[in-house]
Amino acid sequence: GESVGLHLPTLSVQEGDNSIINCAYSNSASDYFIWYKQESGKGPQFIIDIRSNMDKRQGQRVTVLLNKTVKHLSLQIAATQPGDSAVYFCAESNSNSGYALNFGKGTSLLVTP
Amino acid sequence: GAVVSQHPSRVICKSGTSVKIECRSLDFQATTMFWYRQFPKQSLMLMATSNEGSKATYEQGVEKDKFLINHASLTLSTLTVTSAHPEDSSFYICSARRAGVTDTQYFGPGTRLTVL
Repeated sequence: GESVGLHLPTLSVQEGDNSIINCAYSNSASDYFIWYKQESGKGPQFIIDIRSNMDKRQGQRVTVLLNKTVKHLSLQIAATQPGDSAVYFCAESNSNSGYALNFGKGTSLLVTP
Repeated sequence: GAVVSQHPSRVICKSGTSVKIECRSLDFQATTMFWYRQFPKQSLMLMATSNEGSKATYEQGVEKDKFLINHASLTLSTLTVTSAHPEDSSFYICSARRAGVTDTQYFGPGTRLTVL
């Protein structure tokens, strides 16, 4: 079936640096994309979303970029903090599937002091 | 707003017993709830989609007779793992979609099931 995948399973950054987490998707019908943060033993926490009619969306310290041509999604975290350490998942959905979420494999972000 | 709770947060049971997990939307009505399973260091896998007042739709490979889902009201869905076995040990997470909203899902905190 269609898949959503992440390029890097782990990412280590220094506190204060910017982080970039990448995600590739294969379903051309995907029209809604979300980034989630998951801390150990907890449920996913919504970070930011973007719809297919946009290519960039900014939140507080986070930016999501969408490149539909190459089916690529990225999450940028500015001035990464120790509290940002977690596993980050991208997810895609589309109207054809009733907007059920298809999650990527996840990237573990470790922020070192 | 948009808070989803799960109960219990952790449960340990003996092999062969049944376990019920509740998922509640606390401050909104959820016409659709989703159940996911997550094994250690893996991603979330959708198990089933639950619509209020109708039968759940199960993903391929998920046994509907083993994982019973009931969505009896707009704020409550339950997942019952019947005749649990050690391989059912996992982190079960629900999410809820607000009535009238087609895409955004709000996740619960998860339930850690350990079957001895």
